Amino acid sequence: QSVLTQPPSASGTPGQRVTISCSGSSSNIGSHYVYWYQQLPGTAPKFLIYFNDQRPSGVPDRFSGSKSGTSASLAISGLRSEDEADYYCAAWDDSLSGYVFGTGTKVTVL
Amino acid sequence: QMQLVESGGGVVQPGRSLSLSCAASGFSFSNYAMHWVRQAPGKGLEWVTVMSSDGSIRHYADSVKGRFTISRDNSKNTLYLQMNSLGTEDTAVYYCAKDKGRNPTDGLDYWGQGTLVTVSS
Repeated sequence: QSVLTQPPSASGTPGQRVTISCSGSSSNIGSHYVYWYQQLPGTAPKFLIYFNDQRPSGVPDRFSGSKSGTSASLAISGLRSEDEADYYCAAWDDSLSGYVFGTGTKVTVL
Repeated sequence: QMQLVESGGGVVQPGRSLSLSCAASGFSFSNYAMHWVRQAPGKGLEWVTVMSSDGSIRHYADSVKGRFTISRDNSKNTLYLQMNSLGTEDTAVYYCAKDKGRNPTDGLDYWGQGTLVTVSS
């Protein structure tokens, strides 16, 4: 099982704000940057957030990331139907000498 | 236009080997670290391995260490994954992904569409 824990699901109505948590430890989130990926149904993952809170070009500013200690969060404001997807956090882990993904959160737009 | 195209997937019997390739285009392949990530049917993402831009650094997930080998040919803009002693737990879609930096890792900023590997007798 993953060393980064996310809630299995989150939901909201259009226009609402949804927050997804990612809990880790001192060997991963506590000492390395956090990244977020979006996976729409049936497609490859997409780069969403890097270096904790930076957005690649083309990613709407409705998506924002933050980190505090050994936890991180992804917030989606102004929720839209096209945001319905699986979201994964990730970070390098010193103990494993590898990259680790979170357990994933399915976001549903009601 | 940046493109990553995986190939080599298919059905293989337990204990056998399979080799995957990832052809890159639209960017300077030799300047970036490259990863393999897999996703079992209906499951989450699992990082598999990474190689630095010059091939000097490699890391593997514990689940594949000693069985899988990552390599690259910068002259051919191609990434490889040699998979030996395959088990049913290796059944997954395998994605090739580009790192944002030369060394692991600045994040996986571009992904291929994946190739399905099914291990079954």
